[in-house]
Amino acid sequence: DAKTTQPNSMESNEEEPVHLPCNHSTISGTDYIHWYRQLPSQGPEYVIHGLTSNVNNRMASLAIAEDRKSSTLILHRATLRDAAVYYCILDAGSGGGADGLTFGKGTHLIIQP
Amino acid sequence: DTGVSQDPRHKITKRGQNVTFRCDPISEHNRLYWYRQTLGQGPEFLTYFQNEAQLEKSRLLSDRFSAERPKGSFSTLEIQRTEQGDSAMYLCASSLVIGSEAFFGQGTRLTVV
Repeated sequence: DAKTTQPNSMESNEEEPVHLPCNHSTISGTDYIHWYRQLPSQGPEYVIHGLTSNVNNRMASLAIAEDRKSSTLILHRATLRDAAVYYCILDAGSGGGADGLTFGKGTHLIIQP
Repeated sequence: DTGVSQDPRHKITKRGQNVTFRCDPISEHNRLYWYRQTLGQGPEFLTYFQNEAQLEKSRLLSDRFSAERPKGSFSTLEIQRTEQGDSAMYLCASSLVIGSEAFFGQGTRLTVV
């Protein structure tokens, strides 16, 4: 699986937007970009995924660079409950193929009240 | 609650003992995954089932580990002759088909003393 690079940690204030970057310069044409997050003492939770176009859902937005070598997860208005580790994952099967999802260390997002 | 349940939530065992964990996926999901997560790391893929067939196993899954999914419903993960290095969170995930998001359980935390 192609590799992703994320900052180890980021800090933001409550009720402000958060932009979580992810670099994936070796992405292949069939790789989907997935984001999962993991709250303390919980299993990972799906956030969003996309292929080429920007995507929006009730949780977040995903902005994908034109060359697809990077992407940004956008939380429009962070709350304390958004404090979690956020994982950016590339997957050719768009949801976990036969070899599952390859998680890195993710970005630890800290939200200040 | 994602709909994926794992039992037990916590297990403490002595080195050399056998342990078995259970995962109940979302009922209509065909695909079931097991992952292992150690402190400060992202989850690592262990094995994958498509219905009752175990189709993929990671190199992390030593001979002491065995997983089953009889009748394509719940799954069990057994670790024989546990070692201290087996201490970790064991996560189960399920998905409907390839291309859909994975839903994770809350995990079973194993401590080998």
